[in-house]
Amino acid sequence: GAVVSQHPSRVICKSGTSVKIECRSLDFQATTMFWYRQFPKQSLMLMATSNEGSKATYEQGVEKDKFLINHASLTLSTLTVTSAHPEDSSFYICSARDLAGGAHEQFFGPGTRLTVL
Amino acid sequence: DAKTTQPNSMESNEEEPVHLPCNHSTISGTDYIHWYRQLPSQGPEYVIHGLTSNVNNRMASLAIAEDRKSSTLILHRATLRDAAVYYCILRDVGGGSGTYKYIFGTGTRLKVLA
Repeated sequence: GAVVSQHPSRVICKSGTSVKIECRSLDFQATTMFWYRQFPKQSLMLMATSNEGSKATYEQGVEKDKFLINHASLTLSTLTVTSAHPEDSSFYICSARDLAGGAHEQFFGPGTRLTVL
Repeated sequence: DAKTTQPNSMESNEEEPVHLPCNHSTISGTDYIHWYRQLPSQGPEYVIHGLTSNVNNRMASLAIAEDRKSSTLILHRATLRDAAVYYCILRDVGGGSGTYKYIFGTGTRLKVLA
């Protein structure tokens, strides 16, 4: 099956620093990737839709200058949390759609746990 | 965005069938019904999807009501490894752009008793 990886799996940083999270589709090409955030005991919240070679589309209430998304290739999207603060601590999950397979489903990465001190 | 409603939690005994319901009364004619499950500290895992007809795969079965306003995920024999949060999602085509974004509801936390 299609595999999506994320790196790092967990990161701890100081308040005010920026953190970059990578999302890779390992065995397929993905024109579209999605970024989600999940707080403890809550559901996934879609943050943005990332399209290869174009600007990301952010959901209402998500600050695009705070959460920078780059989708430079068909297998890689990155999410940068700029000037992170403790309230940004969360579980960040990406997903991707298989371009060629016409698959209906999204394939999710294992998630990145961000802790901001 | 079309929404789904699921019970917050359910319990099942091991080796018994489990029926997880989902209401989606505002579903549109082109919305697919997707089910995913999420184990603790992991990303969601695809389970099954369907449009109108009932569907079966090695993981589960999906029963879709004739009016499509509800569906039921069926795990034929629950195991301890099936304990997870199960999400019923309507695939949103996103205004014709084809982005197929998912809007997650609260999901059902399934507890399997040994």
